[in-house]
Amino acid sequence: NAGVTQTPKFQVLKTGQSMTLQCAQDMNHNSMYWYRQDPGMGLRLIYYSASEGTTDKGEVPNGYNVSRLNKREFSLRLESAAPSQTSVYFCASSGQSSHYYEQYFGPGTRLTVT
Amino acid sequence: AQSVTQLDSHVSVSEGTPVLLRCNYSSSYSPSLFWYVQHPNKGLQLLLKYTSAATLVKGINGFEAEFKKSETSFHLTKPSAHMSDAAEYFCVVSGPDPGYSTLTFGKGTMLLVSP
Repeated sequence: NAGVTQTPKFQVLKTGQSMTLQCAQDMNHNSMYWYRQDPGMGLRLIYYSASEGTTDKGEVPNGYNVSRLNKREFSLRLESAAPSQTSVYFCASSGQSSHYYEQYFGPGTRLTVT
Repeated sequence: AQSVTQLDSHVSVSEGTPVLLRCNYSSSYSPSLFWYVQHPNKGLQLLLKYTSAATLVKGINGFEAEFKKSETSFHLTKPSAHMSDAAEYFCVVSGPDPGYSTLTFGKGTMLLVSP
């Protein structure tokens, strides 16, 4: 099993450009999450999807959209990138069978907006 | 609502000495608590988790944590630090929702280990 995979690993955008971050999991998990990590801030939840077909806002959703394409895939879109969105983005998943709410994280996407 | 406070942003120890990383939490229900570790330029790895079973939880690489409800604390300890323990550590509390959960992360504690 690959676990949680993310593409790309690195990306540089100019202000105003758009892009989509891809995430996939092969653990048959129902729930998926997108976080951003900034120095001294820990991880903050952007959006999550409790199950296929549903998405909900997290703590910092402004400037982002998400799509739960199917049970395996959950993408994060930046429609018009801003320098404040320079960050490391992590995707995670958790299974309904995981009673203890453990989340499994991908390796991250390092995004720079100039 | 839940929250987590990691009391130290940086902790420095010498190799072979004990490690203590402090975490206090706030929650309106019985929480699940976790410690994750992140090595430089890597993803997050689960060290250990508390889920209302034993209050002393043992994790990987010799780490353990004790859940103290009266003190709302979940401090991470290790008897003897190794150079490979140098990393950032996050204390995390889960949301109460069944079937899925949202995690609230502390701001992290950077552990520095000197020879």
